[in-house]
Amino acid sequence: ELKVEQNPLFLSMQEGKNYTIYCNYSTTSDRLYWYRQDPGKSLESLFVLLSNGAVKQEGRLMASLDTKARLSTLHITAAVHDLSATYFCALEYGNKLVFGAGTILRVKS
Amino acid sequence: EPEVTQTPSHQVTQMGQEVILRCVPISNHLYFYWYRQILGQKVEFLVSFYNNEISEKSEIFDDQFSVERPDGSNFTLKIRSTKLEDSAMYFCASSRVGTGNTIYFGEGSWLTVV
Repeated sequence: ELKVEQNPLFLSMQEGKNYTIYCNYSTTSDRLYWYRQDPGKSLESLFVLLSNGAVKQEGRLMASLDTKARLSTLHITAAVHDLSATYFCALEYGNKLVFGAGTILRVKS
Repeated sequence: EPEVTQTPSHQVTQMGQEVILRCVPISNHLYFYWYRQILGQKVEFLVSFYNNEISEKSEIFDDQFSVERPDGSNFTLKIRSTKLEDSAMYFCASSRVGTGNTIYFGEGSWLTVV
């Protein structure tokens, strides 16, 4: 059974701090997506990682992909309150995305 | 910026009733999807659709579910006889090509079965 596991599932952090969300998956795939979801809202695409070693950065967020380790990370630098949301990783598998359980991020001032 | 639009945003229906959720994908996109998210849980794949046929479906997508592209712009999900456990947020999504491209999600249709 294909598994996509995120950790932590809940993250409370202070503004200005750094932290990393991890996404492990159980099968071979070269494509990994990160999405953000605000409460009651849709899924906003953050990053599409298409190959081993891919690294993408947007503002305070940086995502990377290691297909050999079957691991993607989402690194948050100097967190601000506006980053509070749920973050999902999703593995492309066939014609679908398989989502992790999500990481609820709360940034406290 | 182009977006995927969904209607209705919220629907309450009696158990056993038929429901149709509607979506207008982004206009030059060729791949269409339905996902669902039960409250507080992760997003689950239901079905993908390309070239007027289903390309992949999950175990959730049983005979009670169907999809259709009735015209050049709409993409619908029909649930024939709703059950309580069908209560969820249903997301439509689309992408220009099938793999390796950003998949854009709509705002969702919240279905409550009572």
